[in-house]
Amino acid sequence: GESVGLHLPTLSVQEGDNSIINCAYSNSASDYFIWYKQESGKGPQFIIDIRSNMDKRQGQRVTVLLNKTVKHLSLQIAATQPGDSAVYFCAETGGSYIPTFGRGTSLIVHP
Amino acid sequence: EPEVTQTPSHQVTQMGQEVILRCVPISNHLYFYWYRQILGQKVEFLVSFYNNEISEKSEIFDDQFSVERPDGSNFTLKIRSTKLEDSAMYFCASSRRDVNEKLFFGSGTQLSVL
Repeated sequence: GESVGLHLPTLSVQEGDNSIINCAYSNSASDYFIWYKQESGKGPQFIIDIRSNMDKRQGQRVTVLLNKTVKHLSLQIAATQPGDSAVYFCAETGGSYIPTFGRGTSLIVHP
Repeated sequence: EPEVTQTPSHQVTQMGQEVILRCVPISNHLYFYWYRQILGQKVEFLVSFYNNEISEKSEIFDDQFSVERPDGSNFTLKIRSTKLEDSAMYFCASSRRDVNEKLFFGSGTQLSVL
């Protein structure tokens, strides 16, 4: 069936490094993608989104890249800080407007 | 910044008991959602609600589940007869509209069924 998934369950980086979190999706009808950050004991928090008519979008220290050809989404975090340590989820909507979440990648930032 | 609030933060119940999880969505939002997350797993959609009725629901949302907006501010999820496998973190979310719109999540209610 159609699904959203993540390549790496855990990513460890040093403070100051750039982080890249990847996500694969299989629903070719997906037209809106969102990255959420979930800190321990909290709900998912919106980071950045991108629509299917774009291939790149930048926020503050974060960039989302969308490659529709290979159905791949990535989140880049520049100059990663300890406060970035969290689980990151990609979510997509397509067909239904309900966001479907992937399994999540745990980002661990070492000082 | 406005936020979605959920109560209680933790709920412990005996198997077979009814529980009601409560949420106050962001005031100018029109669409409401419940998701759940079993420990270490992904966030799973349960149900969406608009204009006082369910607009979409997943296979998880069976007859044991119900949602209600009893007044202008609260949005509740009821589980009629809890099972052990209902133990999870339940998240409420809201959004201004449905299509291509980010959801704002509450901090969740951790439900433990013993």
